[in-house]
Formats: sequence, structure tokens, C-alpha cells
Amino acid sequence: DAKTTQPTSMDCAEGRAANLPCNHSTISGNEYVYWYRQIHSQGPQYIIHGLKNNETNEMASLIITEDRKSSTLILPHATLRDTAVYYCIVRVANTGNQFYFGTGTSLTVIP
Amino acid sequence: SQTIHQWPATLVQPVGSPLSLECTVEGTSNPNLYWYRQAAGRGLQLLFYSVGIGQISSEVPQNLSASRPQDRQFILSSKKLLLSDSGFYLCAWSVDSLSGYTFGSGTRLTVV
Repeated sequence: DAKTTQPTSMDCAEGRAANLPCNHSTISGNEYVYWYRQIHSQGPQYIIHGLKNNETNEMASLIITEDRKSSTLILPHATLRDTAVYYCIVRVANTGNQFYFGTGTSLTVIP
Repeated sequence: SQTIHQWPATLVQPVGSPLSLECTVEGTSNPNLYWYRQAAGRGLQLLFYSVGIGQISSEVPQNLSASRPQDRQFILSSKKLLLSDSGFYLCAWSVDSLSGYTFGSGTRLTVV
């Protein structure tokens, strides 16, 4: 699976949009982009995934560039409860291909 | 709705003692099941996964083993714990190869 690069940490003001970038310049055509987050002392929580098109759900939006070499997770109105480590993972969606979590981006939402 | 149960939440065990952590999933059939470990200050490491009863794949050689005696039950075991087995153990399930994983609440194991 392709590697991803994320900033180590970011801050965001409460109520503002949080934009978390991820570079995956070696992504292959059949690899999906997944985002998870992990709040301290809890298990990771699945947020969203996509292949080529931008995706939106009740939690966030995923913007994937046309060349698919990078993506951005957008939390439209960050709250204090969004403070967490966010993981960007690229993966071929085949049974046996697992999610490999790196160190992610530590997002702190500031009151 | 689907739920995943993992217990205990915390565990302190002496070196050399056995270990058994249990994970069960409700509300789905034939899930893919996973065991991950997160050491302090580090990312998650996949330990085992299972796509069916009795089918276990191991990602890394280690002091641990896994079993899947029933469709929705996944057990992580050790015969003799080491200090290096300390960590946060997470069970997860997925309905297929495309879907994201749903993780349990985890077990924090301290080997002393």
C-alpha cells in the first residue's frame, strides 16, 4: 500500500473549518483513501473514504485532487470534541489488505 | 444495529502469566475480524485478522495467538506474557473488504 504524509500537528479555532491535508503521491489507481480519527484512550473511528470523487457524509468531507496525489479532510465546523489524532490511509480494497495506521495528525480544537 | 464488545477495559498481569482477551460482534454475520495493538506513543500495529471461523492470519511473529471459535467471536491469547506485551489492544470488524473498520473500546494491558 502507498505511504502517506501528514503534518504532525495542527490547531483549529472552535466553530471554524478544520482542513487536514494528506499527501499520497505514489497512490495507485485501485487504492482508496480512508480517514480515521482516534480520540485519546479510545479506539479509532472510521470517518470517510473515497476513490476519485469528492465525498461527504454527516461527519466530514473528503476532497481528492484530480491527480489523486493528495487529499484534504474537512470538518466544516470544528468542536472541542473533534480534538483527536487523524489518520489518512491508502489501501487496495481487497480482503487481506489491511489498514496500516501511521502517526497521523494531532488536531487540537481551541476554544 | 451492529455493536462490538471488548473486555476487560483494563488488565494488569504479571510476567509469565497467561492472557485471554475476548471480542464479540453483534448484529452482523460473517464479519472480518481484526486484532490491533498500540504501544504507548506509537501507531497501531495489526496483529491478526480473520475472514471466517477457524481462519487466522498473522501479520507479525510474536508471543501472541488468536482464535475464532465462533462466527462473531475473536480471542487473543498468550501462554506467557512478556513485559513487551503491554499496550492498548483493539478489536475491530468490517463487513467487507471495502468498508471502514469499526473498532471496539480497547483493553489496556499492563504487564508487570
